[in-house]
Parts: sequence; structure tokens; C-alpha cells
Amino acid sequence: GEDVEQSLFLSVREGDSSVINCTYTDSSSTYLYWYKQEPGAGLQLLTYIFSNMDMKQDQRLTVLLNKKDKHLSLRIADTQTGDSAIYFCAGRGGSGSGDDKIIFGKGTRLHILP
Amino acid sequence: NAGVTQTPKFRVLKTGQSMTLLCAQDMNHEYMYWYRQDPGMGLRLIHYSVGEGTTAKGEVPDGYNVSRLKKQNFLLGLESAAPSQTSVYFCASSPTGGNQPQHFGDGTRLSIL
Repeated sequence: GEDVEQSLFLSVREGDSSVINCTYTDSSSTYLYWYKQEPGAGLQLLTYIFSNMDMKQDQRLTVLLNKKDKHLSLRIADTQTGDSAIYFCAGRGGSGSGDDKIIFGKGTRLHILP
Repeated sequence: NAGVTQTPKFRVLKTGQSMTLLCAQDMNHEYMYWYRQDPGMGLRLIHYSVGEGTTAKGEVPDGYNVSRLKKQNFLLGLESAAPSQTSVYFCASSPTGGNQPQHFGDGTRLSIL
């Protein structure tokens, strides 16, 4: 089945760029997602990328997809204290039927240093 | 926009008690999901539903039951609560399954003593 792996912690100084990495196993994933979870809240969809794309940029966020290595990354430029959260990588898992489900990684906790 | 609403937000139960968590969505989504989130474990799928009147087991279904009598509501029941069910429970919905992004509620923090 699908597996999504990501490192658990990342510390970055305010103003620097943050890069959160993720690897996945299901090469048939059509969409790959990044979710953000702030303390005491649910998961919020941050951005997603189609598998036929290599890069997607949305303001301070840049998503890079390396399909050959099954590697996904999220870069946050000019990291701010409000970016402190847990970031989840997610991709489709399953057999390819219409009943496939999204599989989430365990989340990367981003800590901002002053 | 309300989106996905979960009630209650917090609850403390004694071992053996039962309770129902309610999830309501106002986006006319077909698919709904219940997850639990535990430290170091990420999100684990408990049960899900692909439409009104249907339910299916996820990764960790034991000790839970669900019902989807109305399209907008998805109920998660604990028949006999156990300390191992202490967790934060999240409900999510999506227009369809597969690749559609999921919209999450704010969670229910449940403690079993």
C-alpha cells in the first residue's frame, strides 16, 4: 500500500526559507497535497500539485515534485512566526479504484527561531 | 461558510461509557471520513463513507461504529470507551474520493479515564 514519509521536526530562523521534504511510494498518485495544522485546529489544505507538474508556486510557497525519486518538497520563503505549525504531506493510496483514499504522512513540526 | 463542524469540541469519559461524535458538513460533499490523531502517529483513518447510507472500515476501525443516515452528517460512536481511545478525532469531507482534497473540522479532543 501507499506510504508517505516525512521528517518530524524542522527549525528555521525567522526570515529564512523553510524546506519540508516528503517521500511517497505510490507512483500512481495523481495529486499530491500539503496540509497545514495550527495548534488546536484541523488540517487546512495549503496547496497541491498535479503529478504531471514539476513545480507549482503560490506566493511564498513553492512545491517541487521529483517523480523519478518520488520526492515532494514544500518551500516557504521568508518564514514568519505565523508559519509555525505541523505540515502534512499526503498522496493517494490504493489500488486505483474509485474508492482510493488519501494517505497522510506523520507531519513535520516547523519551529521558528527568533 | 461553516464547512465541516464537529461537536462536541471536548469530552471526558469514564472507561466503559458510550458516546457519539457528530460531524456535519454544508458543502454537499459525497465522501466523509473520521480520523484519529495521536502523537507520533499522524492521522489514521477509522471509518469513511462514500455516500448517504454507506460506510466502510478504514485503518483502525475496531471499537468504533459509524452511521451516515443523512448526506450532511457522519456520526462516530464509541460503544464502550477504553483509555486507548483517548485521542483527537477529526472529521473530513470531500466532493468525491480519490484525488479530491479533504476539508477538515477543528477536531474533538476526547479523554477516557
